[in-house]
Amino acid sequence: DIQMTQSPSTLFASVGDRVTITCRASQSISSWLAWYQQKPGKAPKLLIYKASSLESGVPSRFSGSGSGTEFTLTISSLQPDDFATYYCQQYDSNPYIFGQGTKLEIK
Amino acid sequence: EVQLVESGGGLVQPGGSLRLSCAASGFTFSDRYMEWVRQAPGKGLEWVGRIRNKANNYNTEYAASVKGRFTVSRDDSENSLYLQMNSLKTEDTAVYYCTRYSGSYTRSLDYWGQGTLVSVSS
Repeated sequence: DIQMTQSPSTLFASVGDRVTITCRASQSISSWLAWYQQKPGKAPKLLIYKASSLESGVPSRFSGSGSGTEFTLTISSLQPDDFATYYCQQYDSNPYIFGQGTKLEIK
Repeated sequence: EVQLVESGGGLVQPGGSLRLSCAASGFTFSDRYMEWVRQAPGKGLEWVGRIRNKANNYNTEYAASVKGRFTVSRDDSENSLYLQMNSLKTEDTAVYYCTRYSGSYTRSLDYWGQGTLVSVSS
């Protein structure tokens, strides 16, 4: 099975900061990576698919990059609404594993 | 508007069974693959299983942790997705989400239900 490792587990940042979250796959997954945002008590929401494509309606401050085994999610200028937990998910092969999550907290 | 509404969660004893349902609307359900994802209390997301569409013979795939115990099925005439859970274990306690697979060119889960809580405890 492909393993997904997200880092950091927790990230402290301030409004206006630029932040980057990393997701590494144990083997190449081409560009088959998605990113989700989850707020407490809510279902996850799709942000990015195919590593770098922005889902419709998602603010342009979110961007994704990478291919193969290393991927990043960048938020260019943090807004108060962005403090949440972020997950990556590989969609190259079954099982479609999620990363363990990165909790973005206010500094 | 796409909507996915889960139901059927509750408290069940270890070794017991439960069937979750998901009512879909706002899209052509029969065309889509559908999936279940779960989240244990305070933990991350875990992919559970998938069912393909009729064109792909309703083939299913499962996570190793549930294979042989859980069955994903669908009723396209009712726009409904199901998760039959047997031989439940305490570690199956989680919120279960019904999700829509976006398709083979985009490969992601583009819509999620609100989730239904399954608690396995004696």
